[in-house]
Amino acid sequence: DIQMTQSPSSLSASVGDRVTITCRASQGIRNSLAWYQQKPEKVPKLLIYAAFTLQSGVPSRFSGSGSGTDFTLTISSLQPEDVATYYCQKYDSVPLTFGGGTKVEIK
Amino acid sequence: EVQLVESGGGLVQPGGSLRLSCAVSGFTFSSCAMNWVRQTPGKGLEWVSGISYGGDDTYYADSVRGRFTISRDNSRNTLYLQINSLRAEDTAVYYCAKGYYAGSYSPFDSWGQGILVTVSS
Repeated sequence: DIQMTQSPSSLSASVGDRVTITCRASQGIRNSLAWYQQKPEKVPKLLIYAAFTLQSGVPSRFSGSGSGTDFTLTISSLQPEDVATYYCQKYDSVPLTFGGGTKVEIK
Repeated sequence: EVQLVESGGGLVQPGGSLRLSCAVSGFTFSSCAMNWVRQTPGKGLEWVSGISYGGDDTYYADSVRGRFTISRDNSRNTLYLQINSLRAEDTAVYYCAKGYYAGSYSPFDSWGQGILVTVSS
């Protein structure tokens, strides 16, 4: 099975900072990669699919890039409401594996 | 408005069984692949199982294959997960999740609120 590795596992940044989270697949998954945001005590929310397509209603400070095995989620200017854990997920084939998550906090 | 509402969770002894249900509304259920995802308290997300829009194709994580059975009733707009031979490590919040694409391999654009399953003696 393809493994999904996220880094870092946690980060702390200041409001307004640019934040980058990476997700690496152990084999190529084309662009079949989604990013989710899970705020504390909340349900996961789809942010980005097809590696870089922003889901409707998601602020434009979020962006995704990559293809094949290496992907990134970028928050261009971190806001207090972005405190959450972010997960990547492959969906090219089963199992539809999630990455281990990246917890984002405000410094 | 899309809604997914899970039910059927609770406390069960090791080796026991439960059937989770997910009642949906606000979209054409029979056109969407559906999935179950679980999350151990304080931990990450684990995809558990998926089912095609018609129910003909089912998929399972290795950790649950042979113990869990996913099914759906498109006439009742309801998704199910039969979980047997429960183990302590199955303790988690179980979410049902709607596929965004028509196909089975899809990101999940809507999630239920989750239902807690606790396996303990």
